[in-house]
Amino acid sequence: RKEVEQDPGPFNVPEGATVAFNCTYSNSASQSFFWYRQDCRKEPKLLMSVYSSGNEDGRFTAQLNRASQYISLLIRDSKLSDSATYLCVVSHSGGYQKVTFGTGTKLQVIP
Amino acid sequence: DAGITQSPRHKVTETGTPVTLRCHQTENHRYMYWYRQDPGHGLRLIHYSYGVKDTDKGEVSDGYSVSRSKTEDFLLTLESATSSQTSVYFCAAGLAGEYEQYFGPGTRLTVT
Repeated sequence: RKEVEQDPGPFNVPEGATVAFNCTYSNSASQSFFWYRQDCRKEPKLLMSVYSSGNEDGRFTAQLNRASQYISLLIRDSKLSDSATYLCVVSHSGGYQKVTFGTGTKLQVIP
Repeated sequence: DAGITQSPRHKVTETGTPVTLRCHQTENHRYMYWYRQDPGHGLRLIHYSYGVKDTDKGEVSDGYSVSRSKTEDFLLTLESATSSQTSVYFCAAGLAGEYEQYFGPGTRLTVT
């Protein structure tokens, strides 16, 4: 089983739609969680950190469920500019705070 | 802009030749990382550094070595390039694993 698993997609959604991605992780000792965004042929960039209480940043909401070991990302009112690959990232203590990246979920927002 | 640059941005080389990729940061981050990204595998850690001259292996370190002689520079060397090392290489820097990592623009390496 992969340490971090994501549905690769692609998710094709119309503008204005709400879309949700889930990510599961296998290490129950995981401590920090993030969503990164990666545009085509570009470097990953942090979208948001994920806190136990959940957090929201504009149209984006991230949730953490430690009991079920998954994190989620909800995007409301999708924009064309949201088209990208979304990477789930999990960190746990391993000497250097081991960081594991998911393979990403591709989102395509359609006009 | 976290000030991470990589050079070269693109390189084509032949099997068996040594290749060195350079990563430079301007933010004085303690931790630096080298990843490779391949379809279906996501980002995989090759080596990382937690300080000047302090480096350790990641999950796919075979065939690669690194050096960090200054805080701002982290070099990745492919000792004898193979076709399986054709990939996109990203350098990243940050405070530690539990914090954000800032990525460079990537180097596309093709080994023929």
